[in-house]
Amino acid sequence: GESVGLHLPTLSVQEGDNSIINCAYSNSASDYFIWYKQESGKGPQFIIDIRSNMDKRQGQRVTVLLNKTVKHLSLQIAATQPGDSAVYFCAESGADSWGKLQFGAGTQVVVTP
Amino acid sequence: KAGVTQTPRYLIKTRGQQVTLSCSPISGHRSVSWYQQTPGQGLQFLFEYFSETQRNKGNFPGRFSGRQFSNSRSEMNVSTLELGDSALYLCASSSDLATQETQYFGPGTRLLVL
Repeated sequence: GESVGLHLPTLSVQEGDNSIINCAYSNSASDYFIWYKQESGKGPQFIIDIRSNMDKRQGQRVTVLLNKTVKHLSLQIAATQPGDSAVYFCAESGADSWGKLQFGAGTQVVVTP
Repeated sequence: KAGVTQTPRYLIKTRGQQVTLSCSPISGHRSVSWYQQTPGQGLQFLFEYFSETQRNKGNFPGRFSGRQFSNSRSEMNVSTLELGDSALYLCASSSDLATQETQYFGPGTRLLVL
């Protein structure tokens, strides 16, 4: 039969604008969170991570925010560029699942000129 | 440092055959994890090896197996291939995922089962 693919949410962003990608997680025991970027035909590329003892972490043009109260993670990309077009995944692990990452479904980011 | 390498990059097999995929981690990394990525299921964890021992296993049938060698290189094997095994198989390495060290992915092996 025909397979049904995951419906990836899509975020369209104009070049130069800021992007915000959201991720909800359900496991209260998760204490380590990572954002990956995957371009077509490539493996996921590490962007930034954050541990549960932090609320915010900044990298080069990226910021990750963690809200443990509502189990929400976000990735902010400043001054979005065409090269930022990709699928973005959040992943989590925790004391009850160390050694493996649980990935979200992903968000497709499309940067328009 | 060289990144994670996977061979082969592309593979075509027929139902019922078996396949072996190879992964060379980043130098110095002892933890190797395998994931299956499909449009329908996304990225799913297969198993993780550390120092030649399987530490974690995902919810895949016994047809999926793996091993790790003393040099940390890893192989995964899928026996009695099914059409649904068509996927991108990703390998990732870290110095030790259990201590939440960053996990880096290879480019993947794209397997097509006919």
